[in-house]
Amino acid sequence: EAQVTQNPRYLITVTGKKLTVTCSQNMNHEYMSWYRQDPGLGLRQIYYSMNVEVTDKGDVPEGYKVSRKEKRNFPLILESPSPNQTSLYFCASSLGRLQPQHFGDGTRLSIL
Amino acid sequence: QKEVEQNSGPLSVPEGAIASLNCTYSDRGSQSFFWYRQYSGKSPELIMFIYSNGDKEDGRFTAQLNKASQYVSLLIRDSQPSDSATYLCAVNTDKLIFGTGTRLQVFP
Repeated sequence: EAQVTQNPRYLITVTGKKLTVTCSQNMNHEYMSWYRQDPGLGLRQIYYSMNVEVTDKGDVPEGYKVSRKEKRNFPLILESPSPNQTSLYFCASSLGRLQPQHFGDGTRLSIL
Repeated sequence: QKEVEQNSGPLSVPEGAIASLNCTYSDRGSQSFFWYRQYSGKSPELIMFIYSNGDKEDGRFTAQLNKASQYVSLLIRDSQPSDSATYLCAVNTDKLIFGTGTRLQVFP
């Protein structure tokens, strides 16, 4: 089954404790992206990747890191999480930048 | 000015009616346009995409694009209570920009 898989689905943690949210897709997609969704602000892009070893900042990259060492994986790293990073996070992938994006099920992060 | 604007709603329509959802965008260089449906607490699900001016139909859904006027719309015919959700418009320039969504309520 074609899918984008994110883990964990839910996480409650404390300020400053490094965490990684994994994202994996099995569709051989070139393009991958991370979004956060907050009430009233909609979906905002954090980082995206056009291909392996190619990543770039989206609209709200501060406090986040990503890497793309393999085509299928695109982890999101919070080196020192803060409460303002409490949000619902989505990973997405597509064949190319202009193609429809397929979303994972989401990760709800709470930073205390 | 927001890059992608949608009326937040809620838009309430009776079952069986046509629901019309609208979206305007600011970047004339936008190249691809998408409608996603999102149920509360769930991930966005692609409903329609359109690249060229005009209409594109898929089942009960029709997407309409007018690049000169910079708007894209989604029509849902024979609306069902299961269509009740938030509909997100997304526009692709050098990156994908989402509107904040229109909440649709279909009542029996």
